[in-house]
Amino acid sequence: DAGITQSPRHKVTETGTPVTLRCHQTENHRYMYWYRQDPGHGLRLIHYSYGVKDTDKGEVSDGYSVSRSKTEDFLLTLESATSSQTSVYFCAINLGQGNTGELFFGEGSRLTVL
Amino acid sequence: TQLLEQSPQFLSIQEGENLTVYCNSSSVFSSLQWYRQEPGEGPVLLVTVVTGGEVKKLKRLTFQFGDARKDSSLHITAAQPGDTGLYLCAGVRPSGNTPLVFGKGTRLSVIA
Repeated sequence: DAGITQSPRHKVTETGTPVTLRCHQTENHRYMYWYRQDPGHGLRLIHYSYGVKDTDKGEVSDGYSVSRSKTEDFLLTLESATSSQTSVYFCAINLGQGNTGELFFGEGSRLTVL
Repeated sequence: TQLLEQSPQFLSIQEGENLTVYCNSSSVFSSLQWYRQEPGEGPVLLVTVVTGGEVKKLKRLTFQFGDARKDSSLHITAAQPGDTGLYLCAGVRPSGNTPLVFGKGTRLSVIA
């Protein structure tokens, strides 16, 4: 069974500080995603990865960067956090072979930027 | 412009009532997925509909894909408090290997 671990699950930080969220999968799924979820906006794609060192931007990528140095880990970095980045962040893996298969989501990371 | 419009945004009903939520678009999708998200958790896949006109049942939940593959509906019979959550639809675009398009969801509250 697919498994995803997101860390940290909760984080409070101050404006201007760097933050890194980690997503770890136990399988070898090629496609991984970072979404943010905010009231009134639903799920919005930040970045996604289609392999080691292969990433692409989503619809709300400004202010975020990602890295994937290993198949199992996908990192989301906020270089200088802002209050507008307060959100719940979800990592997901694609259970299919491409971008269009079904997604399995992690439990989320709640980030508060003061 | 939201590619997938879900309605209603919010729905509060009594236990035992029936309900239908909608996922509409002016665009054609190869398939549509439905997810349910409970508070404090990530979305969980319920079903995928692929063929125009397809109907799938999952216990008291009935999913339908429109004939033209532009819309979908989810009907819940005799709703229970355990059905409470955010229902999200997500579409697979027919052109290219692009990520899913998500609607904003319908938040359902079933009151005992």
